[in-house]
Amino acid sequence: QKEVEQNSGPLSVPEGAIASLNCTYSDRGSQSFFWYRQYSGKSPELIMFIYSNGDKEDGRFTAQLNKASQYVSLLIRDSQPSDSATYLCAVKKSGNQFYFGTGTSLTVIP
Amino acid sequence: ETGVTQSPTHLIKTRGQQVTLRCSSQSGHNTVSWYQQALGQGPQFIFQYYREEENGRGNFPPRFSGLQFPNYSSELNVNALELDDSALYLCASSSARDFQETQYFGPGTRLLVL
Repeated sequence: QKEVEQNSGPLSVPEGAIASLNCTYSDRGSQSFFWYRQYSGKSPELIMFIYSNGDKEDGRFTAQLNKASQYVSLLIRDSQPSDSATYLCAVKKSGNQFYFGTGTSLTVIP
Repeated sequence: ETGVTQSPTHLIKTRGQQVTLRCSSQSGHNTVSWYQQALGQGPQFIFQYYREEENGRGNFPPRFSGLQFPNYSSELNVNALELDDSALYLCASSSARDFQETQYFGPGTRLLVL
């Protein structure tokens, strides 16, 4: 079983719509959860992190964490073509080890 | 730009050779983590250094080794290169104040093993 699972997509949404990205993790001892965006040929850039159950909002982005279901999601409101990228979910476990999913490819259609 | 730099940007080696990759952390950051990202995959955690000591290691063989220097820059060394070592190698730096909560990635070094 993989530490972090993501639907690889591709996910396509029209411009202005809400994009919903999902991630599940296997270790209940995981402590913190991260969403990164990676443009083709570039390195990942941090969008948000969350470590408490519930929602965390930052501009057009909302991260949601449900530790009971071992589920993390990222909502992108008012999606823009510039949001087209691969979104990586990452989990930090005890022992300072970080595990990334394989990423979900998002395309926002103008 | 994150302030994390890596060198070289690209590298071509042959199987069996050794390679050293370098990373300079963002100012104020004392923790450096190294990742391997194969094409179409997410980054895989190799190891982390905090104040010059290894502080966590992923599932990589001992031929992957590292160092951190007093200025918090870091090196990743890979011995006896294999074809499967071809990947993007990323380093990420973070601050003990935001302990492990925020990592900033460098641009990466793309390694090709022939």
